[in-house]
Amino acid sequence: DVKVTQSSRYLVKRTGEKVFLECVQDMDHENMFWYRQDPGLGLRLIYFSYDVKMKEKGDIPEGYSVSREKKERFSLILESASTNQTSMYLCASSFPQGRNYGYTFGSGTRLTVV
Amino acid sequence: GNSVTQMEGPVTLSEEAFLTINCTYTATGYPSLFWYVQYPGEGLQLLLKATKADDKGSNKGFEATYRKETTSFHLEKGSVQVSDSAVYFCALSSGSARQLTFGSGTQLTVLP
Repeated sequence: DVKVTQSSRYLVKRTGEKVFLECVQDMDHENMFWYRQDPGLGLRLIYFSYDVKMKEKGDIPEGYSVSREKKERFSLILESASTNQTSMYLCASSFPQGRNYGYTFGSGTRLTVV
Repeated sequence: GNSVTQMEGPVTLSEEAFLTINCTYTATGYPSLFWYVQYPGEGLQLLLKATKADDKGSNKGFEATYRKETTSFHLEKGSVQVSDSAVYFCALSSGSARQLTFGSGTQLTVLP
């Protein structure tokens, strides 16, 4: 069964900590994405990557960075966590023809910053 | 730019009721359209899709028809079950964009 695996389901971090959220896919997908999901706001794109070492900003990149050193792994980094980054984070991947096949999502990481 | 507008929830139905969740879109070119479902505590799963006008996507009793003339992709199911309780997202992909544009999601609760 093909998968997108997010390393943690739940995380609690302190304000100011550097936080790493990891995502691994086993489908040889070129594209990978990070979204955050908040009640009433739907899914908002943070960053995406369409190749190793490539990245593009999404709609809300402020306060985040990403790393893609290998095709199967896409990491989201919160350089200095703040309480307004408390959210559900969803990773997804797709082939370049995402318009035809859609995305495969991970199960999500619920991050709480205290 | 691209946008997706979904009917606001929450929607509460009794088991075996008919379901419609409205979705309309604005896009450049000829988008592909998707419905995703998110069960409690989980990520999103692709429910169905349609890649050209008049296509009907279907899965697990759910259906949606790509209507170019009305720019719509409404989700329907003839008889919902308690296990269909979830959040449903409409989404599109258009042109050379690699990313999907999502609607805000509709919470469905089905009561026994």
